[in-house]
Amino acid sequence: AQSVTQLGSHVSVSEGALVLLRCNYSSSVPPYLFWYVQYPNQGLQLLLKYTSAATLVKGINGFEAEFKKSETSFHLTKPSAHMSDAAEYFCAAQRGGGFKTIFGAGTRLFVKA
Amino acid sequence: DAMVIQNPRYQVTQFGKPVTLSCSQTLNHNVMYWYQQKSSQAPKLLFHYYDKDFNNEADTPDNFQSRRPNTSFCFLDIRSPGLGDAAMYLCATSRVGEGNTEAFFGQGTRLTVV
Repeated sequence: AQSVTQLGSHVSVSEGALVLLRCNYSSSVPPYLFWYVQYPNQGLQLLLKYTSAATLVKGINGFEAEFKKSETSFHLTKPSAHMSDAAEYFCAAQRGGGFKTIFGAGTRLFVKA
Repeated sequence: DAMVIQNPRYQVTQFGKPVTLSCSQTLNHNVMYWYQQKSSQAPKLLFHYYDKDFNNEADTPDNFQSRRPNTSFCFLDIRSPGLGDAAMYLCATSRVGEGNTEAFFGQGTRLTVV
């Protein structure tokens, strides 16, 4: 069965510092992988997606993620955190062409001034 | 702009009183989903429609029903809301059958049960 694990339910960084949010997936076949962001009382917004093209994926708001098959990881990074990045981030996986998107438990990012 | 719209954004209902949440989309996507998200948790899939075909998740309570009268609209009916059904309900759509199958989410409806 496919699953998504996000390491760390809470991550706190200082403004301007590197953001690293960790995600590992478990699947015998690399799935489609996504990162979504959710602001309070809002729906989920797609940050970026991996669909077996480039392993380094660039998304919106300066975020990027690298797919590493050997590590079954898809960690999300941003070189310099901004206060507006404070939100909940969800890593998600989907088998190609499938209906079900499996979400990780989420990581809440706090950004300190 | 093409989008997924949920109404209302906030809904208060009485314990045991049926309530309906609505979702519409202008993306012409063939799949529509309903997720339940409780505080500080990941969204949990309740069911989805692939065109007119309804697919219920095995652990979705019978209290939750859905209707999709046409491509654009999908409704979530909660027949007898309990206090435990208070949550954010998220509608999403996707176009299965093409390379990009990411889900597009609405803003959600926050349901309060009193």
